[in-house]
Amino acid sequence: ETGVTQSPTHLIKTRGQQVTLRCSSQSGHNTVSWYQQALGQGPQFIFQYYREEENGRGNFPPRFSGLQFPNYSSELNVNALELDDSALYLCASSSGGGGFTYEQYFGPGTRLTVT
Amino acid sequence: AQRVTQPEKLLSVFKGAPVELKCNYSYSGSPELFWYVQYSRQRLQLLLRHISRESIKGFTADLNKGETSFHLKKPFAQEEDSAMYYCAPLGTNAGKSTFGDGTTLTVKP
Repeated sequence: ETGVTQSPTHLIKTRGQQVTLRCSSQSGHNTVSWYQQALGQGPQFIFQYYREEENGRGNFPPRFSGLQFPNYSSELNVNALELDDSALYLCASSSGGGGFTYEQYFGPGTRLTVT
Repeated sequence: AQRVTQPEKLLSVFKGAPVELKCNYSYSGSPELFWYVQYSRQRLQLLLRHISRESIKGFTADLNKGETSFHLKKPFAQEEDSAMYYCAPLGTNAGKSTFGDGTTLTVKP
């Protein structure tokens, strides 16, 4: 059984640029959630995808968008990067019917630095 | 708005001592309650969830709906319990989800 993987491990972008982060969910999981974790804080929920549809969103602006593919892998896209977007971005997959009833399995994260 | 408060950023106890990590939450509706843990150089992982009423690694968590608290307890702490602990009331409605800012537990020998 393959765990959740994320790419890239880390990257540096300039303010105003766009970035795409990728996540491969654990085998058999149909739900993917994305989180932003700033230094010293807990993970903040960005959005969740269930069977390729957005299934809930946290308090993040529309420049944060996502996709889920038929194989349940997912992308997080951030446009017009701001300095405050610098953070660790976590992806978590789970089984079931969306929501958070089931255990989430987290990836190692992508460290994004915006300069 | 959903909110989680873990009042202690840092908590240090000696091996064999009891430990309690506090969590208070405000939430509209009835959330599922979880504790997640992150050991050094490892991924965030589930420790326990209220609905299963399990004791994992000697930890238990008591839900007090009146006080809206979900404190994590262990009667005898072990050095391997040193980690970051996050309380997470998560909704069956995915839009209502949040993690606390975490408590770093250090268990001294």
